[in-house]
Amino acid sequence: KQEVTQIPAALSVPEGENLVLNCSFTDSAIYNLQWFRQDPGKGLTSLLLIQSSQREQTSGRLNASLDKSSGRSTLYIAASQPGDSATYLCAGGMDSSYKLIFGSGTRLLVRP
Amino acid sequence: ETGVTQTPRHLVMGMTNKKSLKCEQHLGHNAMYWYKQSAKKPLELMFVYNFKEQTENNSVPSRFSPECPNSSHLFLHLHTLQPEDSALYLCASSQDNRFEQYFGPGTRLTVT
Repeated sequence: KQEVTQIPAALSVPEGENLVLNCSFTDSAIYNLQWFRQDPGKGLTSLLLIQSSQREQTSGRLNASLDKSSGRSTLYIAASQPGDSATYLCAGGMDSSYKLIFGSGTRLLVRP
Repeated sequence: ETGVTQTPRHLVMGMTNKKSLKCEQHLGHNAMYWYKQSAKKPLELMFVYNFKEQTENNSVPSRFSPECPNSSHLFLHLHTLQPEDSALYLCASSQDNRFEQYFGPGTRLTVT
């Protein structure tokens, strides 16, 4: 059974800092890995999707990597801003199904 | 309207009531999903529909009844709910299982 874990559960950093959020999964038979952002009480916003054949994806200040062999993905945020404050969720797509298995999220606070 | 929309945004219902949640996607996708997000628990997949056919029922109690009349619309019919069913219910859509899932803003449900 696939389990997705996110560390740390919460993170507080000063504005301008570069930071890394971690996501690990137990079953390497992963189809893709998606990172989302969720603001309090709101829906999820898709940030990046990495297919199993890819190693990383980039969008602006965000870079996500995927290492299937080690069961890890990281989300790198460069030059963090207060507007980046939110909960970040990773989710693994399982082979040939439509299931996304979510982690519990990392709650990020970027202090001005 | 663009993206994925959900109505109502907030719903308070008694345990004997019957209500329905509505989701509509304007993205031309073929798959739609219902998720439940409870406090302090990872996002849980409830149902998946692909081309109007239900492909996944994640052991959801029968008091939750989904309906997908076409690829653009998804409903969740609720009856005789319990207080522990209070949560944020999120709808999502995607084009096949290899591609990004796009989420709606959610319906905040409170069962009294």
